[in-house]
Amino acid sequence: EADIYQTPRYLVIGTGKKITLECSQTMGHDKMYWYQQDPGMELHLIHYSYGVNSTEKGDLSSESTVSRIRTEHFPLTLESARPSHTSQYLCASSEYGGTYEQYFGPGTRLTVT
Amino acid sequence: QKEVEQDPGPLSVPEGAIVSLNCTYSNSAFQYFMWYRQYSRKGPELLMYTYSSGNKEDGRFTAQVDKSSKYISLFIRDSQPSDSATYLCAILGGTSYGKLTFGQGTILTVHP
Repeated sequence: EADIYQTPRYLVIGTGKKITLECSQTMGHDKMYWYQQDPGMELHLIHYSYGVNSTEKGDLSSESTVSRIRTEHFPLTLESARPSHTSQYLCASSEYGGTYEQYFGPGTRLTVT
Repeated sequence: QKEVEQDPGPLSVPEGAIVSLNCTYSNSAFQYFMWYRQYSRKGPELLMYTYSSGNKEDGRFTAQVDKSSKYISLFIRDSQPSDSATYLCAILGGTSYGKLTFGQGTILTVHP
């Protein structure tokens, strides 16, 4: 089983609140990713990181921001949550090169009321 | 047009059936082909990957790639109730950051 953790698993929060979704991995992977997944839809990459102090936006535009101060930690922040942010957020990590396998966390299901 | 199209399903089959899951893709630069399995309320986990045309077998699972037709399949033999999950095809493009492009997933239910 992959050693990648996400907290909280479920979050219900009101509009306008600031939230941070946590993601940590203990595998020493350089690459980390955030995906957004809606029911019945494909995963969309919203952020990725090559390593410490490296962050890039993915294919799907997102109002969230990320940081990578430590290799093992890749938090995602929404400054002001809106109902349109309601979704499942999945964090993943992978080694540089190798098989390109991405290891996923269990996800955070966010509901903004 | 989406870069990866997956037969949406859902599929419901009896235990012991052979299951076929399929995806097509449009970008011939795609190099690695993967199948992920996602159980309810869990993150996806890699089931199989391959980078060449042909078949790759792992137990009851066979991944098939046809690069000339841009078509990939996953076959499950002797399907079990524990195979009930969402199956996602994922294809790796020619970028350096290991971008995976996912299909929308097929929900499979295997009933006893």
